[in-house]
Amino acid sequence: AQSVTQLGSHVSVSEGALVLLRCNYSSSVPPYLFWYVQYPNQGLQLLLKYTSAATLVKGINGFEAEFKKSETSFHLTKPSAHMSDAAEYFCAVSGSNTGNQFYFGTGTSLTVIP
Amino acid sequence: EPEVTQTPSHQVTQMGQEVILRCVPISNHLYFYWYRQILGQKVEFLVSFYNNEISEKSEIFDDQFSVERPDGSNFTLKIRSTKLEDSAMYFCASSELTTGVQPQHFGDGTRLSIL
Repeated sequence: AQSVTQLGSHVSVSEGALVLLRCNYSSSVPPYLFWYVQYPNQGLQLLLKYTSAATLVKGINGFEAEFKKSETSFHLTKPSAHMSDAAEYFCAVSGSNTGNQFYFGTGTSLTVIP
Repeated sequence: EPEVTQTPSHQVTQMGQEVILRCVPISNHLYFYWYRQILGQKVEFLVSFYNNEISEKSEIFDDQFSVERPDGSNFTLKIRSTKLEDSAMYFCASSELTTGVQPQHFGDGTRLSIL
């Protein structure tokens, strides 16, 4: 079975500060991990994905995430927050086959303070 | 960039009525999904669909729910007799058929309000 836990339902950072959103996973198979962003009244947009290649994954909008098997983590980071980064962020894990359902975390709401 | 489109964006329905939510997946995608997000809660899987049949479904997807691909482009979710607790945002997603796990591409959702 797969699941993800996102620590911190709300994170606030100052504009220009480091963004760190935490995600820990549980999986009985080698996991495939994803980060999605949801802007108000919009759907889920893929930020980045980990599919067993490089452990440091770079995504869109300057975000990146590092897969750490020893810590069962896949935290999302961005060196310098921008006002436009304010949104809800979801971590998701999948099994090893296309067509498998995605298991989403409860989400982290990011606020960027000017 | 191709995208998943969902209609309507907002649906208001009386309890007990049938509702059909519509989705047009990305054209070369062959896996289709429905998820729902109750206000303030996580995104929950409902069902996945491939080759004209359900490949996986959750315990939420009971006999009140059905999915259909009536033609080559649409993918629909039907709720036969809606309940108040069906009020949620419903997301359609699709993914390619290639090796490994492909990202699921989501539509903007349909907000379903049951009165």
